[in-house]
Amino acid sequence: EVQLVESGGGLVQPGGSLRLSCAASGFTFSNFWMSWVRQAPGKGLEWVANIKEDGSEKYYVDSVKGRFAISRDDAKNSLYLQMSSLRAEDTAVYYCARANDWLCLDYWGQGTLVTVSS
Amino acid sequence: QSALTQPASVSGSPGQSITISCTGTSSDVGSYNVVSWYQQHPGKAPKLMIYEGSKRPSGVSNRFSGSKSGNTASLTISGLQAEDEADYYCCSYAVSSTFVVFGGGTKLTVL
Repeated sequence: EVQLVESGGGLVQPGGSLRLSCAASGFTFSNFWMSWVRQAPGKGLEWVANIKEDGSEKYYVDSVKGRFAISRDDAKNSLYLQMSSLRAEDTAVYYCARANDWLCLDYWGQGTLVTVSS
Repeated sequence: QSALTQPASVSGSPGQSITISCTGTSSDVGSYNVVSWYQQHPGKAPKLMIYEGSKRPSGVSNRFSGSKSGNTASLTISGLQAEDEADYYCCSYAVSSTFVVFGGGTKLTVL
């Protein structure tokens, strides 16, 4: 059974940093692109970043470029999102998700809430 | 990175059929028949309902079907049931620097 479990969310002040983690199990992690998707309160889904199987390619939505960094550790079956210079508009539930062959997502974690507020 | 266009809301009575559209461009929906559709109940993670345009994952009811015409993909739910009331999102591969684009979401109300 595919499982994705996020952790690391919480309350952070504007301008602060936070690192999200996602522990994957139930599939060969190193064979899949992985993504982070977020959902602001009462809003729709927004793709944030994705990373190729071997970590050689990484892509970001414009609003987080230069502030967020996606990474993976295939030995630990883990995905990460390092977030810095956080803004109020980054407040959202952040989902870790596995990508299918066409980079849309097939399995999702339960999400972790990030709140940026003073 | 423009989102795909979905109607904000649709509604139907139990037993009826409804269709949710997802309109993009020749750079995303129109390029390939690979749209995915997700169902999301309040406070829950999205659940994959359709992938690669019209394929259903194991365990998803055959009341859910997907199709595409030109730059518009569609999700049809037949025999509406109360538990179908949820938000629905489409996702497409995009021939751009990001490769992934979502629709804005559609709230389905079962009357």
